Parts: sequence; structure tokens; C-alpha cells
Amino acid sequence: EDKVVQSPLSLVVHEGDTVTLNCSYEVTNFRSLLWYKQEKKAPTFLFMLTSSGIEKKSGRLSSILDKKELFSILNITATQTGDSAIYLCAVDIGYNTNAGKSTFGDGTTLTVKP
Amino acid sequence: GAGVSQSPRYKVAKRGQDVALRCDPISGHVSLFWYQQALGQGPEFLTYFQNEAQLDKSGLPSDRFFAERPEGSVSTLKIQRTQQEDSAVYLCASSPWDRGYYGYTFGSGTRLTVV
Repeated sequence: EDKVVQSPLSLVVHEGDTVTLNCSYEVTNFRSLLWYKQEKKAPTFLFMLTSSGIEKKSGRLSSILDKKELFSILNITATQTGDSAIYLCAVDIGYNTNAGKSTFGDGTTLTVKP
Repeated sequence: GAGVSQSPRYKVAKRGQDVALRCDPISGHVSLFWYQQALGQGPEFLTYFQNEAQLDKSGLPSDRFFAERPEGSVSTLKIQRTQQEDSAVYLCASSPWDRGYYGYTFGSGTRLTVV
């Protein structure tokens, strides 16, 4: 059975701290790994990773994938209260190169205190 | 529209009632997915459409769940004879055929509460 496990389940930090969120997976037919931020209801896309060792960056957020060890990390530096959200990791199991169904982890709830 | 639109935002149903949830994807998006998200959990796959064709319905939990996308745009998820365990947020996501290195665009979901 395909499985995605995120850790920690929750995290409370203060503004300015750096956090690392973890995602490990066991799936068949891996296509890509995706990170989303979920604040209210709609998950919003952060990164898509397909190759090992290549860091993706967007502002204070960065992510990297290790396909040998089957995990990914999401780093957030200089956290702000606006970073408070649930961070979801999903592995895309491809039907084809353009679409695949996603298996999600249960998320890490990040709370950033002022 | 600019994003994926879902309606209603909230639905309260009495146990045994039928419900219909609507998803209006981004215009031109070929792929459409339905996910079910229980409280405190990640979304779980229900079904996938490529245009009007339902190519994967392996995640539908029972034959009370039915989805359609007859003209390859708007999709409806129908749940018959709702039960309490159906209470969840139902998310719809879409993407263009060539989505490159982008994820899927999710709607804000419909929160279904069965009482």
C-alpha cells in the first residue's frame, strides 16, 4: 500500500526561527513529490520535485528530494506568523507524464508565534 | 474563472439524504480530481477525470459515491444515502494537460456534515 508519512505532526516556533519539515514515502510508480500549504481549505502549491539532490527555492522556503532514501524536507527560514498553516506532502503516482493521483501525508501543523 | 470553484461551501445533510457537490475547474483544464479530507488528515484520492472520461474511480469508498463530468468541464460528485462517516471536506483539483513543474490547483472545498 502506498504510504506518505510526515513529521513532526505539529510544531510551535517563534518568529525568526528556522524549521525543517520531513516527508518520507513508500509508493509504487513514483512520478513526483509535491509540497502544499493549507491555511483554510484549499491547499496551495509550493514545490514539485522530481530529481534527487536538486534544491527548489522560493523566497524563504526551500525543498529537496532524496529518491534513494525516499524522503524530502521542506525548510522555512526566518519564519513569520503568516507561515502558520498545515504543510502537506504528496507523492504523485503517475497515470502519464502529465497527470497522476496523489497520495498525501497527514500534514505538519506549523504555528509561528510573534 | 481564475480559480477552481466549488459549491456549496457548506452542506448539512440528514443521514440517508442524497447530496450533490459541484466543481467548476479552471477553463481548459483537462485533468480533474476529487479528494476527501477528514478532520486532521491529509486528502484522500476519490476519482480522476481526463476531459469527460472517468479514468480512475478506485478511491470511491462505496457504490453510494458517484461522479460525472459529462461535457469535460463542470464535475459533480453525488453521494447517495449519506452516512455519518461521509462527513468531511470534499476537495476538487484541476490541471492543464501540460502542467510542467506545477502542482494541481485546488478549490476551497465543500464541508459536508451528516447529522
